[in-house]
Amino acid sequence: DAGVTQSPTHLIKTRGQQVTLRCSPKSGHDTVSWYQQALGQGPQFIFQYYEEEERQRGNFPDRFSGHQFPNYSSELNVNALLLGDSALYLCASSLARDEQFFGPGTRLTVL
Amino acid sequence: GQNIDQPTEMTATEGAIVQINCTYQTSGFNGLFWYQQHAGEAPTFLSYNVLDGLEEKGRFSSFLSRSKGYSYLLLKELQMKDSASYLCAVRDKATDSWGKLQFGAGTQVVVTP
Repeated sequence: DAGVTQSPTHLIKTRGQQVTLRCSPKSGHDTVSWYQQALGQGPQFIFQYYEEEERQRGNFPDRFSGHQFPNYSSELNVNALLLGDSALYLCASSLARDEQFFGPGTRLTVL
Repeated sequence: GQNIDQPTEMTATEGAIVQINCTYQTSGFNGLFWYQQHAGEAPTFLSYNVLDGLEEKGRFSSFLSRSKGYSYLLLKELQMKDSASYLCAVRDKATDSWGKLQFGAGTQVVVTP
């Protein structure tokens, strides 16, 4: 049984560019949450998707947007990248109120 | 909003016991989670408390007091592989979703021989 998978593993972009990160949830899970983790910090909640809708959102600007597909996989898009967007981006999946399982993350570096 | 505080770093020797405290202030509470995160890896689930009391799972135990906004994670019989960051996370109470997790900054546990 595959766990949560994310792609790509690493990504390097320059300021102003746009990036798309992808996540496939654990089999049987229907809810996907995205987090940003800066070095030495805990993960910060970006948003959560359920039934292809954004159900809850953290304190992130509109440059951060997402999507969930009918197969429950999800994408995170970030426009107009800033240096401060450099971080580990984590996707977590869950089934309703159960614990969230995290993927290995995508390390984004903005130069 | 929610504030979650935990110590930055703790050091203990192999075979010892370490207790990581977490205090939180929340506008709504729907459970507290502990995760373990090794450097460069994803957080892995350790425990979940929603009612007051102690939950034991092998060498790890977690305690919750909702009235005090307090939890701790107890690691017994420490092993070198337990060196990692331990994240305390509170789930808020949402009406139309399962609630986001608000994480503390993590406690780096260093286990020495």
